[in-house]
Amino acid sequence: GNSVTQMEGPVTLSEEAFLTINCTYTATGYPSLFWYVQYPGEGLQLLLKATKADDKGSNKGFEATYRKETTSFHLEKGSVQVSDSAVYFCALDRRRALTFGSGTRLQVQP
Amino acid sequence: EPEVTQTPSHQVTQMGQEVILRCVPISNHLYFYWYRQILGQKVEFLVSFYNNEISEKSEIFDDQFSVERPDGSNFTLKIRSTKLEDSAMYFCASRWEDQPQHFGDGTRLSIL
Repeated sequence: GNSVTQMEGPVTLSEEAFLTINCTYTATGYPSLFWYVQYPGEGLQLLLKATKADDKGSNKGFEATYRKETTSFHLEKGSVQVSDSAVYFCALDRRRALTFGSGTRLQVQP
Repeated sequence: EPEVTQTPSHQVTQMGQEVILRCVPISNHLYFYWYRQILGQKVEFLVSFYNNEISEKSEIFDDQFSVERPDGSNFTLKIRSTKLEDSAMYFCASRWEDQPQHFGDGTRLSIL
């Protein structure tokens, strides 16, 4: 079946550090891939998306590239800020319903 | 920017009672969803709804659950006889055609 695996958290970084959150997926066909972010006390917000192989999604300095050969969609940011502290969810579009990874908590310290 | 709104933000209910969670999707969206997130666990799909009927449901969505779009704006999730394990954050989402889903801020359901 379809599934998404994310790296365990929490990830603790200092401000301006480089961020990578790993995400791999298992799916039939070629699903769309997403990163959602959940700030404390809030709902899920779409961060970025990619709909086909080699697409790069980007938003607010975050990037992720849809890699079909490695079935991955790793999230990266060159320089994190304290305001990026949140839980990040990788997800795939499975016949229009989303399958989520377990989420990775990011804590950025000043 | 239009958003999905959910009420209440927190619902406390006695075990065995019925509960209705309410959602107002974005007005021109056609596809509606409910997800839940048990504390510390992943977000899980419950049900999708389109054209006034359920289009897909997960194994979690058993006979205790039902959804309804009673008018042109609301989308509700009813749990008929709540159990302790129904305690979770419930998220509503809506979508226009093939665009990404937009989520509400969720309702935290606590079963005592």
